[in-house]
Amino acid sequence: NAGVTQTPKFQVLKTGQSMTLQCAQDMNHNSMYWYRQDPGMGLRLIYYSASEGTTDKGEVPNGYNVSRLNKREFSLRLESAAPSQTSVYFCASSWADTQYFGPGTRLTVL
Amino acid sequence: RKEVEQDPGPFNVPEGATVAFNCTYSNSASQSFFWYRQDCRKEPKLLMSVYSSGNEDGRFTAQLNRASQYISLLIRDSKLSDSATYLCVVATSNDYKLSFGAGTTVTVRA
Repeated sequence: NAGVTQTPKFQVLKTGQSMTLQCAQDMNHNSMYWYRQDPGMGLRLIYYSASEGTTDKGEVPNGYNVSRLNKREFSLRLESAAPSQTSVYFCASSWADTQYFGPGTRLTVL
Repeated sequence: RKEVEQDPGPFNVPEGATVAFNCTYSNSASQSFFWYRQDCRKEPKLLMSVYSSGNEDGRFTAQLNRASQYISLLIRDSKLSDSATYLCVVATSNDYKLSFGAGTTVTVRA
């Protein structure tokens, strides 16, 4: 089992560009999450999906959109990237109260 | 006020030493508590859940004090491999949305 996978691992964008971060899990989990991690701050929830077909906003949803394509995949889209979105992005899925994280995407917006 | 606050450290300790640190949480309705470990530039991984009665996992002991709203982690007989950032994590509901502290960095030196 690969667990939670994310692509790409690294990305550099210019202000105003768009991109989609991909996440997939092979553990048959219902719940999936997108977080961002910035220096000196805890992980902050951007969006989550409790089950296929549902999504909800987290703490910091502005500037992002998500799609729960199926049970396995949960993508995060930046429509018009801004320097404030420079961060490390983690996808996670959960079973009961344990969350399993992907390896992260390091995004820089210039 | 942040939901979960931690002393960022770093705690620099020699091999074999005992190190302990706390985190505090602000929401008295919090229900579940965890310690996650994050190695440099890697994803967080669950270290242990924290139960009301306190619990041990090998060299690691976690305690919960609901009255004072803090959680502690103690590491005995520190190993070089214990060097990491330890994230205090709290859940306030049954939908497994987690609040993360910014982490406490521990460095174990030879």
